[in-house]
Amino acid sequence: AQSVTQLDSQVPVFEEAPVELRCNYSSSVSVYLFWYVQYPNQGLQLLLKYLSGSTLVKGINGFEAEFNKSQTSFHLRKPSVHISDTAEYFCAVSDKNSNDYKLSFGAGTTVTVRA
Amino acid sequence: NAGVMQNPRHLVRRRGQEARLRCSPMKGHSHVYWYRQLPEEGLKFMVYLQKENIIDESGMPKERFSAEFPKEGPSILRIQQVVRGDSAAYFCASSPRPTGDYGYTFGSGTRLTVV
Repeated sequence: AQSVTQLDSQVPVFEEAPVELRCNYSSSVSVYLFWYVQYPNQGLQLLLKYLSGSTLVKGINGFEAEFNKSQTSFHLRKPSVHISDTAEYFCAVSDKNSNDYKLSFGAGTTVTVRA
Repeated sequence: NAGVMQNPRHLVRRRGQEARLRCSPMKGHSHVYWYRQLPEEGLKFMVYLQKENIIDESGMPKERFSAEFPKEGPSILRIQQVVRGDSAAYFCASSPRPTGDYGYTFGSGTRLTVV
């Protein structure tokens, strides 16, 4: 079974500043990794995913994430945030080899962008 | 192509009543997944269904909860005799195939409040 730890529950950031959201996972098997964004009172939207290959993954809205197998991390970054990036961000993992439809989510990181 | 549609968006039930949550998957998707989000927590897997079949209900509470995905019509998550602890956001996701590399599309959720 996998578990996901999002190390920061709240991240305040000024507009146009960079942001990094940290995600660590534990698993005994190979995994798929995902980042989702949830805007207030909405569902989850897929930002990006890592399946295999290049460890740097680019997603929508200028976000990117880097998979580090030795540190079992999948941190999300954006070089310059906008007010509209204010949302909750979830890291998720699934087992690549079996029951891989079942996502395990972190508790989420709330990003608040201020002018 | 409409996304995953969930209704109602908000549902208030008194303790002991029944709650019925509906989910219509994206067009062409025959795999449906239900997740529950408790306050301050990430999403937790509940159940995975295909048309007329429950594939994995390992995340469903043993009592009072049931799910179905009939040949025609939406998937239904049913909670009988609701209690205050059932208050949560319930999200549905769908996919065209049962593999985790897809990265699901989630609906906007049903926010259940038990009073």
